[in-house]
Amino acid sequence: SAVISQKPSRDICQRGTSLTIQCQVDSQVTMMFWYRQQPGQSLTLIATANQGSEATYESGFVIDKFPISRPNLTFSTLTVSNMSPEDSSIYLCSVESRLADNEQFFGPGTRLTVL
Amino acid sequence: AQTVTQSQPEMSVQEAETVTLSCTYDTSESDYYLFWYKQPPSRQMILVIRQEAYKQQNATENRFSVNFQKAAKSFSLKISDSQLGDAAMYFCASGPSGSRLTFGEGTQLTVNP
Repeated sequence: SAVISQKPSRDICQRGTSLTIQCQVDSQVTMMFWYRQQPGQSLTLIATANQGSEATYESGFVIDKFPISRPNLTFSTLTVSNMSPEDSSIYLCSVESRLADNEQFFGPGTRLTVL
Repeated sequence: AQTVTQSQPEMSVQEAETVTLSCTYDTSESDYYLFWYKQPPSRQMILVIRQEAYKQQNATENRFSVNFQKAAKSFSLKISDSQLGDAAMYFCASGPSGSRLTFGEGTQLTVNP
């Protein structure tokens, strides 16, 4: 299995500021994803983080608001820009491990509160 | 496009009893996977069980088993001998291999002692 860590685990931010969330995997993986889970709701995919190229965003999510980097096969960052209270959510990184028969693993999540 | 529907927002079961959580899905993919994830209050997403759509045999993992009805696009989770530690939010998910997952709305499971 893949072990995933996320930093920070939680944060409280002011409206209009930006926060960068880091995702680190203990092994090289091909696919990395960023999900958002709004309070009391299910998970929604924000984007697929592509190594060496621009991320692939889902409908309703744009690069200016959620810029993503993936400099190598074990690390990715998601930035939540110009935050508003509506951005208060849990943000989860996930990876697909071909070594584990294409199973998807999730990080512990980052709980973001925007005041 | 894919959709996943969980019609039971909440379920409860007595400890040691059996409970079944329902899930239906729709997909245009010919090759896809189905998953059940558990999310306890710690918010860590934990894979409970997975099913490859091309396999007719229902997946089982200890006390957890699925009833996969491909023609009906149904994928229910059965938990046998329920334990207090099974209490959590359960999400059904679907996706092609190597690609994004689509999640259902979730079912909050309570286990009563």
